[in-house]
Amino acid sequence: KAGVTQTPRYLIKTRGQQVTLSCSPISGHRSVSWYQQTPGQGLQFLFEYFSETQRNKGNFPGRFSGRQFSNSRSEMNVSTLELGDSALYLCASSLEVRETQYFGPGTRLLVL
Amino acid sequence: SQQGEEDPQALSIQEGENATMNCSYKTSINNLQWYRQNSGRGLVHLILIRSNEREKHSGRLRVTLDTSKKSSSLLITASRAADTASYFCATDAEGNNRLAFGKGNQVVVIP
Repeated sequence: KAGVTQTPRYLIKTRGQQVTLSCSPISGHRSVSWYQQTPGQGLQFLFEYFSETQRNKGNFPGRFSGRQFSNSRSEMNVSTLELGDSALYLCASSLEVRETQYFGPGTRLLVL
Repeated sequence: SQQGEEDPQALSIQEGENATMNCSYKTSINNLQWYRQNSGRGLVHLILIRSNEREKHSGRLRVTLDTSKKSSSLLITASRAADTASYFCATDAEGNNRLAFGKGNQVVVIP
């Protein structure tokens, strides 16, 4: 099976812009989770989608949003970018969110 | 939300030695998982151990779980330079429909 893919791999944006990141899960996986990883805060949970429904959300402002399509592909959007949004954004898919998660390579976002 | 905490935070060892790292957590869990991350890439799942299990092996990896002490350990035997990575524990706490990751443990294996 193909692994989890994320696009783009690298992104440079300026403050105030918005960005959309994409994640294609492993075939058959209906759960997709998103994480933000920074050196200071570590790996922080953003949200989880299952069968097109957001089931769980972390403690992030409303500027962070996501969605999942009927083919389980997921997107996350960050609006009004801030310098502190610079991070590695990781997507993971699984059969069920509490079981083994399979991570994509991540999208590295730099906000200038 | 609950979060596992790894200890030690950083570990440097010679190739061939064993590396042990610990993870502590605060509330009851359903399972605990260990992941490895190489140089800012995606995480790779290593082992999942359930709350009713005490020990699990996978190749050169051995994980133990002590629910009475709310702690887990990951042992890498006969370490190799390729084991250089960050290792994370993640807990599936009862009542939380998500995994909570610790901040990671940096392991450097010197050839």
